[in-house]
Amino acid sequence: KAGVTQTPRYLIKTRGQQVTLSCSPISGHRSVSWYQQTPGQGLQFLFEYFSETQRNKGNFPGRFSGRQFSNSRSEMNVSTLELGDSALYLCASGTGTGGMGTEAFFGQGTRLTVV
Amino acid sequence: GQNIDQPTEMTATEGAIVQINCTYQTSGFNGLFWYQQHAGEAPTFLSYNVLDGLEEKGRFSSFLSRSKGYSYLLLKELQMKDSASYLCAVLNAGNNRKLIWGLGTSLAVNP
Repeated sequence: KAGVTQTPRYLIKTRGQQVTLSCSPISGHRSVSWYQQTPGQGLQFLFEYFSETQRNKGNFPGRFSGRQFSNSRSEMNVSTLELGDSALYLCASGTGTGGMGTEAFFGQGTRLTVV
Repeated sequence: GQNIDQPTEMTATEGAIVQINCTYQTSGFNGLFWYQQHAGEAPTFLSYNVLDGLEEKGRFSSFLSRSKGYSYLLLKELQMKDSASYLCAVLNAGNNRKLIWGLGTSLAVNP
């Protein structure tokens, strides 16, 4: 069974640009969560989607947005990039509703560098 | 606020036993998770505790005390490949239920 797939793996963008990251969850999983991971802040929750609906949102500015498609694939978008947005963006899929159930499966992440 | 505390770094010797502690304060509790993350890789699931007590899975065990807001991950017969970051996360409760993550404990296993 294929794992969680995130694309691209690495990305370099310039301040002010926007970026779209993609996540394909494990087949059958309807819940997708996005996290930002930095050395100083650890894993910070961005948002969670279940069956195309945003179920939960973290404390990030409106520049961070996401969506989920009918096939459970999800995208997140960051507009007007800032240097501080440089991080590893992780996507996790699960079977749970309104949460990650009993286990979250992570993708390899997208390493975003803003210059 | 909600927070998860765990030591930043630990060092241990190959073949030994190490205990990584985690204390938490969250709005409600729906389970505690431990994940392992090697440098440059995705976190991988190790254990889940929702009731008090010890859960054993091979060389790894995880303990939970809900009344104390405390958990530990016990790693036995340490191997070099166990050098990684260990993340503690709590699933809180309520309509805004989500995983709250600790910053991780970086474990170095020396020969």
